[in-house]
Amino acid sequence: AQSVTQPDIHITVSEGASLELRCNYSYGATPYLFWYVQSPGQGLQLLLKYFSGDTLVQGIKGFEAEFKRSQSSFNLRKPSVHWSDAAEYFCAVASRGQNFVFGPGTRLSVLP
Amino acid sequence: DTEVTQTPKHLVMGMTNKKSLKCEQHMGHRAMYWYKQKAKKPPELMFVYSYEKLSINESVPSRFSPECPNSSLLNLHLHALQPEDSALYLCASSQGVRGQGYEQYFGPGTRLTVT
Repeated sequence: AQSVTQPDIHITVSEGASLELRCNYSYGATPYLFWYVQSPGQGLQLLLKYFSGDTLVQGIKGFEAEFKRSQSSFNLRKPSVHWSDAAEYFCAVASRGQNFVFGPGTRLSVLP
Repeated sequence: DTEVTQTPKHLVMGMTNKKSLKCEQHMGHRAMYWYKQKAKKPPELMFVYSYEKLSINESVPSRFSPECPNSSLLNLHLHALQPEDSALYLCASSQGVRGQGYEQYFGPGTRLTVT
């Protein structure tokens, strides 16, 4: 069965600092990988996705993620965090014909 | 346009009430989903409609009844809910259910409170 872990429940960074959110998955084949962001009381917004090809994918809002097959990871990065990036971030995994499996989420706080 | 709309935004209902949640997308997507999300938790899949047919029911209690009147609309009918059903209900859609185009686009959700 597929599973997704996000080892960090809560991360706090200062505005302008760099950010990396970790995501590890367990699946036999290369899955489809996604990062979503959710502001309080809102729906989920797709930041980026990976299906195949270049392992470094660019997304919206200045985010990028790198797929590393050897580490079963798909970490999200941003070079300079803005106060508006404070939110909950979910990594998700899917495979052909299978449903999304969401990670538990990482809450990002941004200090002024 | 990648917009999924949901109404109402907030809903308070008693345990004997009947209400409905509505979801709409105009992206031509052929798959639509209902999720339930409790506070500080990831979304949990409830139902999947593919080409207007119910393809997945994740063992959801019968007090939740989905309906897909057409390819753009998805309803969730609620009846005799329990207080533990209070949650954020999210609708999502995707172009397909596998391969490219599988990314799901979410609506803003309906905050449901059962009293």
